[in-house]
Amino acid sequence: QVQLQESGPGLVKPSGTLSLTCAVSRGSINNYEWWSWVRQPPGEGLEWIGEIHNSGSTNYNPSLKSRVTMSIDTSKKEPSLKVNSVTDADTAVYYCATGGSWTWHYWGQGILVTVSS
Amino acid sequence: QSALTQPASVSGSPGQSITISCTGTNTDVGAYNYVSWYRHHPGQAPQLIISDISNRPSGASNRFSGSKSGNTASLTISGLQAEDEADYYCSSYTTSMSYVFGTGTKVTVL
Repeated sequence: QVQLQESGPGLVKPSGTLSLTCAVSRGSINNYEWWSWVRQPPGEGLEWIGEIHNSGSTNYNPSLKSRVTMSIDTSKKEPSLKVNSVTDADTAVYYCATGGSWTWHYWGQGILVTVSS
Repeated sequence: QSALTQPASVSGSPGQSITISCTGTNTDVGAYNYVSWYRHHPGQAPQLIISDISNRPSGASNRFSGSKSGNTASLTISGLQAEDEADYYCSSYTTSMSYVFGTGTKVTVL
């Protein structure tokens, strides 16, 4: 089954841009249509950030839409996430997830991103 | 979009059954049969245990079952085991072409 691994800087300065990628192994991005990003702030619940189709179309959480960009790295064929103008509230464990229709069978282990100066 | 409402905590003794509710609106839970449930042990990846209201994915225990009535979905865990102690989240597709998670329920095995 497909395995996912998030990567990127673990520390981002306030007002900066958070950038993450999701490495896909034991499969390819073409195995599944939709790829989502989900986050969990410390001590809080899960929050859906958005999704990208392997063709490039996107859907975003309305509350984050103005600051989020998702894309597919065409050379590595990996989903990526950018969140700009970050604040403390963006400190969270970020997960990529995929698999199935309207659900997520496969999740990465998550990466903690801290927003701090 | 507001998070779906779940009880903050539910507890039970080994072998007992517990039920976790997930209440939304007619724009999410009530609109589609696209409610999933995830078990989340801290520090690990969430695990899909129920999709599409009541479907168990391959590998998920048959002790998990799901249902829906109106704007409320429910997860029942029967034969409670120590490994079931975790956080549980529901999620639903919405009429805004987005997803929303529940507030999360901490399950304690007494």
